[in-house]
Amino acid sequence: RKEVEQDPGPFNVPEGATVAFNCTYSNSASQSFFWYRQDCRKEPKLLMSVYSSGNEDGRFTAQLNRASQYISLLIRDSKLSDSATYLCVVNIPGTYKYIFGTGTRLKVLA
Amino acid sequence: DTEVTQTPKHLVMGMTNKKSLKCEQHMGHRAMYWYKQKAKKPPELMFVYSYEKLSINESVPSRFSPECPNSSLLNLHLHALQPEDSALYLCASSHKPDEKLFFGSGTQLSVL
Repeated sequence: RKEVEQDPGPFNVPEGATVAFNCTYSNSASQSFFWYRQDCRKEPKLLMSVYSSGNEDGRFTAQLNRASQYISLLIRDSKLSDSATYLCVVNIPGTYKYIFGTGTRLKVLA
Repeated sequence: DTEVTQTPKHLVMGMTNKKSLKCEQHMGHRAMYWYKQKAKKPPELMFVYSYEKLSINESVPSRFSPECPNSSLLNLHLHALQPEDSALYLCASSHKPDEKLFFGSGTQLSVL
């Protein structure tokens, strides 16, 4: 099993749709989880940290399921500008090592 | 100021050239990182400096040489690179382990 696994997509969705991505991780001791957004040839930008209780920021909701070892990202009311690659990032506890998923490509269509 | 600044944004170099990438942050972060990213792949860790000391080297070839002159600056010295080293080089910083990474805008490097 890969340390961090994501469906690479692409997910092609119409504007206004709701879309969800999952990311599974193998290290049950991991405590820190993040979603980053990356546009082509640009740097990853932090979208959300993922907390045990789940968290929401506008149209974006992140959830953590420790029992099944996955995190999720829900995007509501998709905008054209949401088109990007979404990277799931998991920290190896107590270290400076972060494991990146391969990313999920989202394309929002007009 | 929540910025990590990288220069140059683009760099083209020959295989015999020596060049340096520079990174700066003023967030008081004590960890700074170099990542390499090829197209359509996730970033790969190269080096980590913690409190200005090299704490992780992911078996990177010696033609890449990192340097951390102080807690705000991180350099990556390049010498005798190969065409396969062409990639986006990203600098990042974090306050401590387990915390979110802040990335610079990257240097797009082409080795001819």
